[in-house]
Amino acid sequence: EAQVTQNPRYLITVTGKKLTVTCSQNMNHEYMSWYRQDPGLGLRQIYYSMNVEVTDKGDVPEGYKVSRKEKRNFPLILESPSPNQTSLYFCASGRQVNQPQHFGDGTRLSIL
Amino acid sequence: EDKVVQSPLSLVVHEGDTVTLNCSYEVTNFRSLLWYKQEKKAPTFLFMLTSSGIEKKSGRLSSILDKKELFSILNITATQTGDSAIYLCAVGWHSGYALNFGKGTSLLVTP
Repeated sequence: EAQVTQNPRYLITVTGKKLTVTCSQNMNHEYMSWYRQDPGLGLRQIYYSMNVEVTDKGDVPEGYKVSRKEKRNFPLILESPSPNQTSLYFCASGRQVNQPQHFGDGTRLSIL
Repeated sequence: EDKVVQSPLSLVVHEGDTVTLNCSYEVTNFRSLLWYKQEKKAPTFLFMLTSSGIEKKSGRLSSILDKKELFSILNITATQTGDSAIYLCAVGWHSGYALNFGKGTSLLVTP
């Protein structure tokens, strides 16, 4: 089954404690992306990757890091999380940037 | 300033009504426009519209792209309660690899 898998689904943590949200896709897609979704602000792109070892900033990259060492994985790293990063996060993948993207089920992060 | 603007932000209709959702975008280097439906979890893909494909239809849902006036509409006829969701519009540009989403339209269909 074609899918994008994110882990964890829910996480409550404290300010400053490094965390990683993993994302894996099994469709051999080149393009992967991370979004955050906040009430009244919609979906905003954090980082994206066009292929292995190729990443770039989206609209709201501050406070986040990503890596793309393998085609299937695209982890999102919060080195020093802060409360303003409390949000619902989605990972997505697609054959190319302007092709339909498949979304994971989301990760709800709460930073206290 | 937002590059992709959706309207209305929220809509409540009765089952059986027809609804039209709007998405307008900036002109610069437009490549494609995508519509997604988001229920409780992940957004799911509905349509993609490009310069070479400006009208799409699937069942009760249809969408058109007006390249001259820089907007797209998503039409849902004979609405059902299962159509209740947030509808998202996203635009991709030739000038880069980012994808910009609008804030979405929240649709509630009441019995």
